[in-house]
Amino acid sequence: SAVISQKPSRDICQRGTSLTIQCQVDSQVTMMFWYRQQPGQSLTLIATANQGSEATYESGFVIDKFPISRPNLTFSTLTVSNMSPEDSSIYLCSTRTGGLETQYFGPGTRLLVL
Amino acid sequence: DQQVKQNSPSLSVQEGRISILNCDYTNSMFDYFLWYKKYPAEGPTFLISISSIKDKNEDGRFTVFLNKSAKHLSLHIVPSQPGDSAVYFCAAGGGSNYKLTFGKGTLLTVNP
Repeated sequence: SAVISQKPSRDICQRGTSLTIQCQVDSQVTMMFWYRQQPGQSLTLIATANQGSEATYESGFVIDKFPISRPNLTFSTLTVSNMSPEDSSIYLCSTRTGGLETQYFGPGTRLLVL
Repeated sequence: DQQVKQNSPSLSVQEGRISILNCDYTNSMFDYFLWYKKYPAEGPTFLISISSIKDKNEDGRFTVFLNKSAKHLSLHIVPSQPGDSAVYFCAAGGGSNYKLTFGKGTLLTVNP
């Protein structure tokens, strides 16, 4: 398994501003994933971040709104840009280890946009 | 189009009894399935998984059953404990992109 930390754990932001969420893994991993869980909804994959290449975004998510960085094999950031109240969600990062399909999640970042 | 469905938003069980959480899927390309448990203010915690080549996987009090012909899986918790009270997510994956598709979750409450 992997131990994953996220910063910040929660934030309250004004609309129109941007927030960058950090994700740190305790070991080197190839793939990192960013998910969003809107209130009462399922976890939805935003994008897959591979080190050394551009992130791959899922349908409905675009780089201008959710830019992702992956500077090394243990760290990634997700920025939520030009926020609106609809962006109020829990944002989670995850990773796979050991070549297995299981993903391990960080504790999440709870974002409220006013 | 919801490819992974958990049709029961909530389930209440007495301590010591069996909890059965159900999950249905529509995509025949899924070849592995996972269950996660999530407490409030925490990230999802991996519980147990099953590959499509199996129909049962057991780990302590947790057993997952897979019925491929019905595209249905279930998680059995025996005996249920109050600490099991959480939201349980079913997830499915397949192919080379390692993407997981999640259900909406079932809130399990185990009453003492």
